[in-house]
Amino acid sequence: NAGVTQTPKFRVLKTGQSMTLLCAQDMNHEYMYWYRQDPGMGLRLIHYSVGEGTTAKGEVPDGYNVSRLKKQNFLLGLESAAPSQTSVYFCASLKGLAGAYEQYFGPGTRLTVT
Amino acid sequence: SQELEQSPQSLIVQEGKNLTINCTSSKTLYGLYWYKQKYGEGLIFLMMLQKGGEEKSHEKITAKLDEKKQQSSLHITASQPSHAGIYLCGADRLGKLIFGQGTTLQVKP
Repeated sequence: NAGVTQTPKFRVLKTGQSMTLLCAQDMNHEYMYWYRQDPGMGLRLIHYSVGEGTTAKGEVPDGYNVSRLKKQNFLLGLESAAPSQTSVYFCASLKGLAGAYEQYFGPGTRLTVT
Repeated sequence: SQELEQSPQSLIVQEGKNLTINCTSSKTLYGLYWYKQKYGEGLIFLMMLQKGGEEKSHEKITAKLDEKKQQSSLHITASQPSHAGIYLCGADRLGKLIFGQGTTLQVKP
């Protein structure tokens, strides 16, 4: 049982390049989330999914797209990277409605956009 | 301003001292989470509070939820260097979990 895994762990992009971050969970969780963490800002929710085939916007969705084609995977895409997207990205999953279950986090992806 | 405000933003304490971190919500709290993060690492779940007045403990860390004040407090007794890190509170927003800006704790030996 690997829990929540993220690929890659580190990445450096040039402005305008695109990339996809992969999040995978093997706990059969319904809910999955993408956050970004910046100094002094805590964790800010980018997009989330309440089930396979569904996605919704979080607090800071601009510049990102997501897909949840399979229940165990949640992909975060950057179509045209900008320096403002330099951050640490965390994926998380949840068995059911928040307030009743623990949210599990991946180890994070450190992205630098030059 | 954020929906969840943590105070203080940073804290430096001497080893052995007690400390309290507060998390205040601008909206009704239905579920409140506390996490700890060591620098450069992922988040470690500490505890989850669901009901007003609820209090939970994990080793030397105690958290309480005051629904009326829309506030939770995290109290560490007899702090140790191993308690150093960033403490984050998170709240349930109907399926979305949002977080405060975090409190950075340093413990001086």
